[in-house]
Parts: sequence; structure tokens; C-alpha cells
Amino acid sequence: DVKVTQSSRYLVKRTGEKVFLECVQDMDHENMFWYRQDPGLGLRLIYFSYDVKMKEKGDIPEGYSVSREKKERFSLILESASTNQTSMYLCASSLQLARNEQFFGPGTRLTVL
Amino acid sequence: DQQVKQNSPSLSVQEGRISILNCDYTNSMFDYFLWYKKYPAEGPTFLISISSIKDKNEDGRFTVFLNKSAKHLSLHIVPSQPGDSAVYFCAASESSNYQLIWGAGTKLIIKP
Repeated sequence: DVKVTQSSRYLVKRTGEKVFLECVQDMDHENMFWYRQDPGLGLRLIYFSYDVKMKEKGDIPEGYSVSREKKERFSLILESASTNQTSMYLCASSLQLARNEQFFGPGTRLTVL
Repeated sequence: DQQVKQNSPSLSVQEGRISILNCDYTNSMFDYFLWYKKYPAEGPTFLISISSIKDKNEDGRFTVFLNKSAKHLSLHIVPSQPGDSAVYFCAASESSNYQLIWGAGTKLIIKP
């Protein structure tokens, strides 16, 4: 079974703090994704990575950066957290980029006060 | 502009009956469609998919129908069970593009 784990299930941070969200997958997948999920908006892609040290912007990259130093690990960084970044953050991985199911972690519920 | 729309935020169905969840899309270049199921406090899990070369795909109690001319797909669950209560997301992609485009989700409630 594919396992995608995320470092925290719940996180509370203050405005202006630097926030790290980490994601690890154990299936040797090439591709990893970060989404945020907000009510009524579905899942929106923040960034994805198709290889170590490679990254591409998704639909809403502003205010976020990512890091992929190892194949199994993909980190999302909020350089200076703001209240409008309060959301559910979901990490996913997949074997192929297109037409392939993505496997998701349990999510991190981030609250920025 | 939402390219994938799930117009029903919620749906309530009696246990044992058929649940029909609908999804509309606007981009005629989409050629692969997926349904995911999400329980609270868990990530989405893949349920079933369909390629645009087909109009139906079945997997146990779950069947997805694709109407390309109407740009519409639907997920049928028969019979509905209490464990089916969850949020269902429809997603679409083009074969030339990595990205999955997601609908807003429909919350399915199965009543005993």
C-alpha cells in the first residue's frame, strides 16, 4: 500500500511566522504535489515536483515555496504566514504525471492567528 | 472560472437506494476523469476513473458514466451503504497536462 505521511495533523501559528509542512511517501513515486482545500473551492494546486530538486508552480503559488532534496520528501514552506493561509493542506504523490491516480496524505489543518 | 463543477454541495440518500453524483466540465480537452472520496480528517482516496474513449466504467457498486457531448459525468453508487457517507470530488485532466482540475465536492449523506 502506498503511504503518504504528513508531519502534523493540526498546526496553529501566528501571523508572520515561518511554517514548514513536510510530506513523505514510501512508494518511490516521481511526482509529488501540494494542495490546499477550502470549503466550496475544491482542491487547488500550490506546487508540484516531478523530480528531486525540480518544482513547478501550480495555480496558487503566491506566499509559498517548496523544497525537494530527496525523492521521498516534499516540503511546503510559508515564508511569512498570513491569516488567509488558514486552510487544510494536502500532499499527494503519483507514479506518472498525467492520467494517474494521486495518493494523498491525511492532511494538515493549519490555523494562522 | 471553474472548469469542473459539482453543482450539488450535498445529497441525502436512503440506505439501499442509488446515489447519483454529478459533475460538469467546460474544457473539451479533458480526456481523463477521476472520482475521489474523502472522509473528514483524512486525505482523498481514489475511487474510479474513466477515459474519454469510454462512456462507462464499472467497479463493484460504483459506476461512472461519461457524456462527452454534454460535458457531463456522473457517479452511481448502488446500493448505497452508510460507509459511503463522505465528500466526493470529481477531477479531470488532459493527457498533455500534469494537472488534475478538481470540482468543489459533493457531501453524500446516507440515511439509515
